[in-house]
Amino acid sequence: AQSVTQPDIHITVSEGASLELRCNYSYGATPYLFWYVQSPGQGLQLLLKYFSGDTLVQGIKGFEAEFKRSQSSFNLRKPSVHWSDAAEYFCAVGAQNQAGTALIFGKGTTLSVSS
Amino acid sequence: KAGVTQTPRYLIKTRGQQVTLSCSPISGHRSVSWYQQTPGQGLQFLFEYFSETQRNKGNFPGRFSGRQFSNSRSEMNVSTLELGDSALYLCASSLVVGSYEQYFGPGTRLTVT
Repeated sequence: AQSVTQPDIHITVSEGASLELRCNYSYGATPYLFWYVQSPGQGLQLLLKYFSGDTLVQGIKGFEAEFKRSQSSFNLRKPSVHWSDAAEYFCAVGAQNQAGTALIFGKGTTLSVSS
Repeated sequence: KAGVTQTPRYLIKTRGQQVTLSCSPISGHRSVSWYQQTPGQGLQFLFEYFSETQRNKGNFPGRFSGRQFSNSRSEMNVSTLELGDSALYLCASSLVVGSYEQYFGPGTRLTVT
């Protein structure tokens, strides 16, 4: 069955430091992968997506992610974190079942930024 | 272009009642998906509608239903509310059915007492 694992429930990073959020997926075919961010009381905002091609994808707000098929990973990175990046981050895989398609999400990683 | 809108943003209901939530997709988007977000279960897919037809359904009881109108607006209904239905309900729109690239609204926070 398709699944997404985000091993870190909560991460604290100093402002200005680099960030890496981990994501591992389980999916038989070529995956469609996404990172979303959710600020408190808000919906999900799409940060970036990977469908095919270059394994390093650039997103909004200075984020990037690298697809590594051999490791079934799609880790999110940012070279310098800003206090406004504090939020919850979700990794998702586009999955297909007999009925149709849907996004399967990880449990999320909460990012805190310290000054 | 306006984003996905959901109404109401907050709702308090009593166990046993029913509730209807509304979602207006991004202009030009024809597919609407619904997700439930809870602290315990995380984000779970409820169903997807396209051309006024349910195209896919997640693993939720029949108390959860939805519909889509000709203008692509969608509603979801939960009947006989249970305490466990308390959640953030998120609507997402996409251009066509089966598209993984989905854009989410702010959600409706439902509290069942």
